Amino acid sequence: NAGVTQTPKFRILKIGQSMTLQCTQDMNHNYMYWYRQDPGMGLKLIYYSVGAGITDKGEVPNGYNVSRSTTEDFPLRLELAAPSQTSVYFCASSFPRTGLRTSTDTQYFGPGTRLTVL
Amino acid sequence: RKEVEQDPGPFNVPEGATVAFNCTYSNSASQSFFWYRQDCRKEPKLLMSVYSSGNEDGRFTAQLNRASQYISLLIRDSKLSDSATYLCVVNDPGSARQLTFGSGTQLTVLP
Repeated sequence: NAGVTQTPKFRILKIGQSMTLQCTQDMNHNYMYWYRQDPGMGLKLIYYSVGAGITDKGEVPNGYNVSRSTTEDFPLRLELAAPSQTSVYFCASSFPRTGLRTSTDTQYFGPGTRLTVL
Repeated sequence: RKEVEQDPGPFNVPEGATVAFNCTYSNSASQSFFWYRQDCRKEPKLLMSVYSSGNEDGRFTAQLNRASQYISLLIRDSKLSDSATYLCVVNDPGSARQLTFGSGTQLTVLP
């Protein structure tokens, strides 16, 4: 059970280039999320999905797109990269369940992708 | 006003010390509360959920005061391995199990 995996770990882009950040989870979670974290700041939600075929905007969606064709995968697409998109990107997933140490809203994170746009 | 506010620190404490972090949240309808831990250059990981009656997990104690919209985390007998950033996290009751993250409080435990 690998949990949430993300690729690539690091990437440097030139201004105007495009790329796709991959995210896969093997926990059969319904909910998936993309966040960005700038240095010294909290996580900001970019997009989220409540299930295959359903996506919606978060707090900072401009410059990004997502798709959710399967339960497992939730790729994030950057079109026309800009220096303001330099950040660490985290994918997360959750499944509404309860447990001794988990609640319905607990999210599990991937290791992140560090993106620099020059 | 930020939705989830934390003292950013840094908190530098000696091994064995007791340290407390506080957090306030703005949405009185929030129902789920968490502390996540984030090591340098790593992803956030759940430390513990916070329940209304307060809860303890080993050296860690979390408290919730709904009337004051205030959450706390107490760490007793600090270890070097406790050095990390602690994120206060609150659910957004509006939709899709969204969470709102505080900016984090940085803790360094010194030998």
